[in-house]
Amino acid sequence: DIVMTQSPDSLAVSLGERATINCKSSQTVLYNSNNKNYLAWYQQKPGQPPKLLIYWASTRESGVPDRFSGSGSGTDFTLTISSLQAEDVAVYYCQQYYSSPPTFGQGTRLEIK
Amino acid sequence: QVHLVQSGAEVKKPGASVKVSCRASGYTFTNYYIHWMRQAPGQGPEWMGIINPSGGSPSYAQRFQGRVTMTRDTSTSTVYLELSSLRSEDTAVYYCARSTSDYYYFDYWGQGTLVTVSS
Repeated sequence: DIVMTQSPDSLAVSLGERATINCKSSQTVLYNSNNKNYLAWYQQKPGQPPKLLIYWASTRESGVPDRFSGSGSGTDFTLTISSLQAEDVAVYYCQQYYSSPPTFGQGTRLEIK
Repeated sequence: QVHLVQSGAEVKKPGASVKVSCRASGYTFTNYYIHWMRQAPGQGPEWMGIINPSGGSPSYAQRFQGRVTMTRDTSTSTVYLELSSLRSEDTAVYYCARSTSDYYYFDYWGQGTLVTVSS
């Protein structure tokens, strides 16, 4: 199974500042035949299921604010929130869908400083 | 709009079985796969398996083989997860989620079902 490791485990950022979350996979999730990275990001608030934010490492899901962006390729990926809002307090997960089983990172808890 | 609605919370004794349902609406049921995942407190989701509502055999994660059964009822657009030989470590929130047939990222999720295993 591909192991997904996120860093940091928790993060405190001031309102309006940038938040950056990292995700590393134990093997590449870049499929050479289509040049796509099989990597998604989710946001989870307490008592709710995860919500899809980004897929293909950088494609924003419909309705997701453009302050959320994804980048990276191969084994190293980043989720960036350009200007933190109060409603962004949540746990964030990366997930690979390059191979079965799909696997998630351990999560990064984002709080307001 | 798309909805996946799960059955309510369950409390079971060790060794028992639990069956959780997930009813889909707002889209063509047979056009998307349904996955089951679980999430223990403070952990990331863990994939348990997948079922194709159109037919064919489900596929299960190796660690649940022999204890998990996924079934479908196309007449009610419902899929089911049954987990047997429950132990305390199975206490978690169980989710169903939808993906396309080709790419297993999850665009819609059920609300979750808390399963508590306790003597």
